[in-house]
Amino acid sequence: DVKVTQSSRYLVKRTGEKVFLECVQDMDHENMFWYRQDPGLGLRLIYFSYDVKMKEKGDIPEGYSVSREKKERFSLILESASTNQTSMYLCASSPTGQGAFDYGYTFGSGTRLTVV
Amino acid sequence: GNSVTQMEGPVTLSEEAFLTINCTYTATGYPSLFWYVQYPGEGLQLLLKATKADDKGSNKGFEATYRKETTSFHLEKGSVQVSDSAVYFCALWMDSSYKLIFGSGTRLLVRP
Repeated sequence: DVKVTQSSRYLVKRTGEKVFLECVQDMDHENMFWYRQDPGLGLRLIYFSYDVKMKEKGDIPEGYSVSREKKERFSLILESASTNQTSMYLCASSPTGQGAFDYGYTFGSGTRLTVV
Repeated sequence: GNSVTQMEGPVTLSEEAFLTINCTYTATGYPSLFWYVQYPGEGLQLLLKATKADDKGSNKGFEATYRKETTSFHLEKGSVQVSDSAVYFCALWMDSSYKLIFGSGTRLLVRP
């Protein structure tokens, strides 16, 4: 079964810490995405990557950065965590073009991050 | 810009009731439309999709018809089960873009 795996299910960090959220996919997908999910706001795109070492800002990139050194791995970095970054973070991957339509996105189970 | 609007939840129904979750969209062009479902504690899963006007997507008893004239893609099911309790997201995708645009999600609670 194809998978997107997020390294942590729950995470508690202190304000000001540097936080790494890891995501790995085993489907050889070109595209990878980081979303945050908040009640009443749905899913908001933080960053996405369409190839190794390529990245583009999504709708809410402030306070975040990303790294994609290998095709299967896409990391989200909170440079200095703040309490307003407490949220559920979802990673997703997809193939390009028609494949993205046919198969949709594959999502990980999410990381619930609490910043105290 | 492109956007998706869903009815606010939660929607609470008794088992075997008829379900409708409204979704309308705004898009410059002709998007593809999707419904995703998120069961408790899990990520999102693709439920169904449609690529052009009048297409009907269906899966697991759920249906949605792409209505260009009303820019809508309402989700329906004739008889819900307790196991359908989840959050449902409507989304659109433009061919020219890499990314899905999601609505805010609608929580469905089905009582026995």
